[in-house]
Amino acid sequence: DQQVKQNSPSLSVQEGRISILNCDYTNSMFDYFLWYKKYPAEGPTFLISISSIKDKNEDGRFTVFLNKSAKHLSLHIVPSQPGDSAVYFCAAIGGNNRLAFGKGNQVVVIP
Amino acid sequence: DAGVIQSPRHEVTEMGQEVTLRCKPISGHDYLFWYRQTMMRGLELLIYFNNNVPIDDSGMPEDRFSAKMPNASFSTLKIQPSEPRDSAVYFCASSLKYNSPLHFGNGTRLTVT
Repeated sequence: DQQVKQNSPSLSVQEGRISILNCDYTNSMFDYFLWYKKYPAEGPTFLISISSIKDKNEDGRFTVFLNKSAKHLSLHIVPSQPGDSAVYFCAAIGGNNRLAFGKGNQVVVIP
Repeated sequence: DAGVIQSPRHEVTEMGQEVTLRCKPISGHDYLFWYRQTMMRGLELLIYFNNNVPIDDSGMPEDRFSAKMPNASFSTLKIQPSEPRDSAVYFCASSLKYNSPLHFGNGTRLTVT
């Protein structure tokens, strides 16, 4: 039972353009959402998070948007850089639920 | 801060053998998590500890899997006997609080032939 879903497993984007990653969740008890970035042969690293009391959180080139009514969040990277090429995981937690991860999106930024 | 340290980085073993994965969390972190990553299932939580005490092991797939945390700076995940379907990347992570962002180690890639 996948509570956090990331469709479109891979994304290719030109350097300088915007990368948009989407994530849907099913559990209405989730109230804290995180994005992790993973390079090959390394563990995931925390990128940005958002609480359910907000609808937007921005950190430099990274912005996360949350639409609670749609149970949807997205990560925007602008401008995209070659170093952003990685797998991005969406994760959610809340209530008595354990942290749940999506399966990840591969992003390739083309120089 | 060296981050979360896992060993070995790679483990290749034959079916039926015992496998022990090791993890040193970040000092001061009260929570330690063991995850498994596969193509089919993504990142799955196997077990987590709070202050060295196992809190939720409902993700441990079978009795062949066991985890211990004898002190705040060391944890092991053991598979005995190992099977080919256990082949995956196993990550250890730690955090200050339960809802704090996780700090992952670089993982152990396990191959069981």
